Amino acid sequence: AQSVTQPDIHITVSEGASLELRCNYSYGATPYLFWYVQSPGQGLQLLLKYFSGDTLVQGIKGFEAEFKRSQSSFNLRKPSVHWSDAAEYFCALSNSGGYQKVTFGTGTKLQVIP
Amino acid sequence: GAVVSQHPSRVICKSGTSVKIECRSLDFQATTMFWYRQFPKQSLMLMATSNEGSKATYEQGVEKDKFLINHASLTLSTLTVTSAHPEDSSFYICSARSSGGASSYNEQFFGPGTRLTVL
Repeated sequence: AQSVTQPDIHITVSEGASLELRCNYSYGATPYLFWYVQSPGQGLQLLLKYFSGDTLVQGIKGFEAEFKRSQSSFNLRKPSVHWSDAAEYFCALSNSGGYQKVTFGTGTKLQVIP
Repeated sequence: GAVVSQHPSRVICKSGTSVKIECRSLDFQATTMFWYRQFPKQSLMLMATSNEGSKATYEQGVEKDKFLINHASLTLSTLTVTSAHPEDSSFYICSARSSGGASSYNEQFFGPGTRLTVL
């Protein structure tokens, strides 16, 4: 079975500070990994994805994530947070073959303070 | 990029009535569409997978007679919540997966969601 864990339910950072959101996964092979952002009452927007190759993935809005197989992690980072980054962030995993079912983590709510 | 729309964006209905939610892929053909449910402050839970021209595949614990899914064309899937009750109130999100392409993985594109409130 595949699963995704986001250990931090809620994170508060100051505007301009760096950000790291944690994501750990469980899957028997190399998964496809995603980070999505959701603003209140909205759908999901894809920030970035990892399929294979370079383990450091660049996404939109200045976000990046690093796939670490040894730690089963795919943490999301941003060097300088903007107030508009306040939202809910979801890490997700898809199996790499066949049905390609997507499993989401429980989400991390990011609050940005002035 | 690929765009998925949902209609309506928000609906309020009385208990016992049925509500239909549409999910459309606007600029690509989607052989597979997914329906998710999101409770407040929780993650998305996959309800069912809808394949064009065939019956939907429901996840464990999801009542197929209550949540009717139809995927009649490559650009449209509908979710009908039958005999809705207050506990069905939730945020319903669909996604559509493109067919074809060079990649072995076909990305899912998400709709903006539908807020259902059952009184």
